[in-house]
Amino acid sequence: AQKVTQAQTEISVVEKEDVTLDCVYETRDTTYYLFWYKQPPSGELVFLIRRNSFDEQNEISGRYSWNFQKSTSSFNFTITASQVVDSAVYFCALSGVWEGGATNKLIFGTGTLLAVQP
Amino acid sequence: NAGVTQTPKFRVLKTGQSMTLLCAQDMNHEYMYWYRQDPGMGLRLIHYSVGEGTTAKGEVPDGYNVSRLKKQNFLLGLESAAPSQTSVYFCASSYSSRQGRSYNEQFFGPGTRLTVL
Repeated sequence: AQKVTQAQTEISVVEKEDVTLDCVYETRDTTYYLFWYKQPPSGELVFLIRRNSFDEQNEISGRYSWNFQKSTSSFNFTITASQVVDSAVYFCALSGVWEGGATNKLIFGTGTLLAVQP
Repeated sequence: NAGVTQTPKFRVLKTGQSMTLLCAQDMNHEYMYWYRQDPGMGLRLIHYSVGEGTTAKGEVPDGYNVSRLKKQNFLLGLESAAPSQTSVYFCASSYSSRQGRSYNEQFFGPGTRLTVL
């Protein structure tokens, strides 16, 4: 079975603090992809990153960084020096294959609500 | 490019009424999807389509029907709305790879907030 667990339902930090959002996944696939999406208060879902299972290098993009560890089945997301504009719900997702071979299934976690206080 | 657009943005229905949500994308994507988002449950796939004229069931298809008559449009229908279908509905689309397997990111529309009384 494929599953994504985001155990942190809500996190509240003060501006400029660093914060890490946890994502743990389960899959039997040998090839898979992991994603992070951001959902700001306006409601739309914004793609942040895609990582494939063969690439365990950490990724950094500005204040955002991602730590992929296959050994612990985790794909954690860190925001450095958080800002109020980072306040949003963040979703981690795992790729999968539908029965019959159709592709591009995404299994979403339940999301983490990040509130950054000024 | 407008990306993925959804119509309408908000809708209130009475139990038993029907309606259709329209999704349109201008990115020439092969794949399109309909999700619903409920508090504490993330996004759950209702139906999806891997090409014009084809549709398939997702995780929570009951009570919904879809059609993909044109590549750029994906319609979600509720034949007899129920209060349990109160939710925010998202449409998404993505590319397909040349090999027919795709793990490309999905691009989402702005959502439709539906309330069924």
